[in-house]
Amino acid sequence: EAGVTQFPSHSVIEKGQTVTLRCDPISGHDNLYWYRRVMGKEIKFLLHFVKESKQDESGMPNNRFLAERTGGTYSTLKVQPAELEDSGVYFCASSQVRIVSTEAFFGQGTRLTVV
Amino acid sequence: TQLLEQSPQFLSIQEGENLTVYCNSSSVFSSLQWYRQEPGEGPVLLVTVVTGGEVKKLKRLTFQFGDARKDSSLHITAAQTGDTGLYLCAGALTGSARQLTFGSGTQLTVLP
Repeated sequence: EAGVTQFPSHSVIEKGQTVTLRCDPISGHDNLYWYRRVMGKEIKFLLHFVKESKQDESGMPNNRFLAERTGGTYSTLKVQPAELEDSGVYFCASSQVRIVSTEAFFGQGTRLTVV
Repeated sequence: TQLLEQSPQFLSIQEGENLTVYCNSSSVFSSLQWYRQEPGEGPVLLVTVVTGGEVKKLKRLTFQFGDARKDSSLHITAAQTGDTGLYLCAGALTGSARQLTFGSGTQLTVLP
């Protein structure tokens, strides 16, 4: 079974540009999460999809970030326009509802560098 | 203020030694997970603990969830060089959605 996959693995863009990150969750997982780790900080929650619906987007830093999950399959996270402080590693995770509902499986992350 | 305090931040030991990593909070978690992360990869789930006082063993790794579900520990017996990595604790707060709150991590280096 394929794990969570993220594209691209690395992205270097200039301030003011747009970047779109993609996440393909484990097949059949209804829950999809985006997390971010910025330099020197812990991994922090951004938002949570259940199928195609946004369940919780309380961690999104501002309106420059837009996440979508059309059809309840893969998800994209767009940053527009990117700022220097957006640099970090963006992780996607997915899970299926089980007894322990918080088990999540992570992708390898996308390292975003804004210069 | 960090919700989950993880200690120590860095740990360097000799192969064969034992070690313990701690994860503490003033908040109650419905469950807590331990992950291990290698450079360039995402966190890999090691274990999930759910019940207060629960102890789980995974080969040389022993995980414990505090009775009050506010803290957890990871103990490694006879560490090996292959145990080197970043260990992360992450918990789901009671009453919250399924998002995880992460500790800052413990970078473990096991020297030959």
